[in-house]
Amino acid sequence: ELKVEQNPLFLSMQEGKNYTIYCNYSTTSDRLYWYRQDPGKSLESLFVLLSNGAVKQEGRLMASLDTKARLSTLHITAAVHDLSATYFCAPPVSSGSARQLTFGSGTQLTVLP
Amino acid sequence: NAGVTQTPKFQVLKTGQSMTLQCAQDMNHEYMSWYRQDPGMGLRLIHYSVGAGITDQGEVPNGYNVSRSTTEDFPLRLLSAAPSQTSVYFCASSYGIGPTGNTIYFGEGSWLTVV
Repeated sequence: ELKVEQNPLFLSMQEGKNYTIYCNYSTTSDRLYWYRQDPGKSLESLFVLLSNGAVKQEGRLMASLDTKARLSTLHITAAVHDLSATYFCAPPVSSGSARQLTFGSGTQLTVLP
Repeated sequence: NAGVTQTPKFQVLKTGQSMTLQCAQDMNHEYMSWYRQDPGMGLRLIHYSVGAGITDQGEVPNGYNVSRSTTEDFPLRLLSAAPSQTSVYFCASSYGIGPTGNTIYFGEGSWLTVV
């Protein structure tokens, strides 16, 4: 059974600080998705990491993927309040007739002024 | 371009009632799927489809039926609602046969309460 573990589950940080969210998964997957979700809202696609060693950056967020270690990270640089949200990682894993996304429990990020 | 449209947005059902959550996409995507999200958890896959006439079960399919008669529509049916089906339901779609690297587009969600 595939397990996707994110840590921390809850993160409270000061504006201007840096932090990293970790996503470990138990089954081989050569790519990984990161999503953001605001309370009561849908999921917003942040990154799609397509290969081992992939690194993508958008604004204050940078994601990386190490498929050999089955680890992805989401690094936050100089956090601002607008980044407060829940972040999910999801590796696609073969199941049935197509690959399927398996989501972690999410990391609830609160950025304090 | 409407993207992925879900209806209704909110629904209250009594135990034992049936209903259908509608999902439509206007991007000509082959892959469509339904997820449920319970409080404090990630999304779990209910059913998915890789094209018209083709459906398959996900992680939590019990109590739900789907069909895919057209590329655009992928309705989710609750046959006999139970309180355990109280959740937020998300429909998603993408090009190709699933999340192989294509962007997955999510609908706005349908909040379902079963009393």
